[in-house]
Amino acid sequence: SQTIHQWPATLVQPVGSPLSLECTVEGTSNPNLYWYRQAAGRGLQLLFYSVGIGQISSEVPQNLSASRPQDRQFILSSKKLLLSDSGFYLCAWGKRRADTQYFGPGTRLTVL
Amino acid sequence: AQKVTQAQTEISVVEKEDVTLDCVYETRDTTYYLFWYKQPPSGELVFLIRRNSFDEQNEISGRYSWNFQKSTSSFNFTITASQVVDSAVYFCALSEAGGQNFVFGPGTRLSVLP
Repeated sequence: SQTIHQWPATLVQPVGSPLSLECTVEGTSNPNLYWYRQAAGRGLQLLFYSVGIGQISSEVPQNLSASRPQDRQFILSSKKLLLSDSGFYLCAWGKRRADTQYFGPGTRLTVL
Repeated sequence: AQKVTQAQTEISVVEKEDVTLDCVYETRDTTYYLFWYKQPPSGELVFLIRRNSFDEQNEISGRYSWNFQKSTSSFNFTITASQVVDSAVYFCALSEAGGQNFVFGPGTRLSVLP
């Protein structure tokens, strides 16, 4: 069966510090991968998606970036965090475009 | 353009009551997929169901049932005999066969009181 991991689970970072969130998927190959952000009490905002190694599409221009160095690894990064980057970050995977997406446990980021 | 509307922001019911969560969608594609997800307080989104646009059969799974009506572009979700553990935010989502990404509705926060 497939599983998706995210770490860390929680993170408190000062403004201006760098960020690296990691997501890995097990039990499947060549998945589509997604990063979402959920601000407190809000809906889901798609940040990035990837259909393969090194292929990243950005949905929202901002100070975040994503990379996919391996087939089942997806990384969300920032060089300098902003207060507005606080939120709940969810990684998801799907077999094909438009297919069901399965979500990881999320990372709760607080920028102070 | 695709869009999902969940008009109910918050719903409160007493345990054992039935509750229906509404979802209305917009799409120009003839082939599309509809989803419901549950987000409990822990935060992880749990997949509940997927329907494709060619299958309008209603579905029942235990206390959960889904009513898909293409004529009204709706995909409503009913919980029968609600329980406290049903308290969560529920998201309806749409994806188009010709597209890449999901569109999520804003979510409905359901509180089931003992």
